[in-house]
Parts: sequence; structure tokens; C-alpha cells
Amino acid sequence: QVQLQQSGQGLVQPSQTLSLTCAISGDSVSSDLTAWSWIRQSPSRGLEWLARTYYRSQWYYDYAISVKSRIIITADISKNQVSLQLSSVTPDDTAVYYCVRGSQASVWVWGQGTLVIVSS
Amino acid sequence: DIVMTQSPDSLAVSLGERATINCKSSQSIFHSSKNKNYLVWYQQKPGQPPKVLIYWSSTRESGVPDRFSGSGSGTDFTLTISSLQAEDVAVYYCQQYYDVPLTFGGGTKVEIK
Repeated sequence: QVQLQQSGQGLVQPSQTLSLTCAISGDSVSSDLTAWSWIRQSPSRGLEWLARTYYRSQWYYDYAISVKSRIIITADISKNQVSLQLSSVTPDDTAVYYCVRGSQASVWVWGQGTLVIVSS
Repeated sequence: DIVMTQSPDSLAVSLGERATINCKSSQSIFHSSKNKNYLVWYQQKPGQPPKVLIYWSSTRESGVPDRFSGSGSGTDFTLTISSLQAEDVAVYYCQQYYDVPLTFGGGTKVEIK
């Protein structure tokens, strides 16, 4: 059974960098059948996909245009985890952030979510 | 981007009655070579992450009651709850995974009448 355990800051100051990590159990971050995304949810934006990474003989990365200049998604094979960094945050980045496994070939699994508040 | 439009925004249904939620994509999300529609339906309750109910538009996730069913193809999809139970009060979302950016419907809030 795949489980995703999220960790990271719950409070970030404006202009700083938000960092979240998703530890994966029951699957491999380098599986060639799936992909790993970060998705956030807020009352103003609803559910918003931010970024994705997957391995198909090499690593691939996709980013939402709205955050592309500020976001990095990385995968760590040795720790079997995926991470998110979002820089230059503003109060508009306040949301619940989810780590999500899913692709056209695999079942969708969501982490428990991390509430991130951007405030001084 | 593929825009997902859900309707209605909310609905109130009597216990034991049928609830129907619609989801329309701005372009086809049917992959002809795979013969699959890349659509997933979620149920979300307050304080919880979305829970997968249906994927590939009509395949029920393991453990999901059979009163939940998904149908449709191409651009028009439906989630049906055949006999609403009290525990089904939640917000329901559709999401396409045909292409990035992955996109979601705005949600449908289901309540008891």
C-alpha cells in the first residue's frame, strides 16, 4: 500500500522560500509507471496543480506556468522522497499543499496535506 | 490548458435518492490507443485530502461502495451516487490527467435535503 508522508514548514514569511518533503513508502520514486506531483488547495484558487516529476530512463519535470519562475521539484532516490521549493512567497501562496502520486498508468494517492501560511 | 467545468455547484438530495454530478472537459480526454478516458473523481470531506472514488472515468477504486459509479467519454462525464447515504455528504471533484497542467473541476457540494 502506497503511503505519502509530508513534512515541512507550516509558517513562512513573505519573500522567503517554502520547502516541503514527501517521504514515499510502498513505491519507488524512480518507478517508470508513475509520476509525483505537488498540488495545492485554497478557497480562492481551488485545487491547483503546481509541478510534476517522473522517471523514464531520465528525469522529467513539468511546472505550472503560474509558478514556473519560482518553483523547483526534486526527487531523491536514496531517500525515496520528492521535495518542493517555492521561492518569493506571498500571502497568495497560503494553501494546503499535497504530495500526490499518479499517472495515466497508476492509481492516484494523496498525502495528508500540509497547511502553509504565509505571514509575517 | 484543459478546462474542467462541473455542474451543479451544489445539490441537496434526500437520503436514498440519486445524486448526479456532471463534468465537462474543454477538449477530449479520451486516449484512443489506450481506449481510456483520463478522468478521476474524488470525494473530499472537511480537513481531509481528496479520496479517489473512480479513475479512468468508470473504474471504481478498491473499497469504494458500488453506489458510486462513473460514466461518460470524450468530453462529458457523470458521477452518480445511486442511493445517497449520510456519509456521502462531501464535496466532489473531477480531474483530468490526459495532459499537464493537470486540471480540476470547481467542485460540487452534496448535502442532504
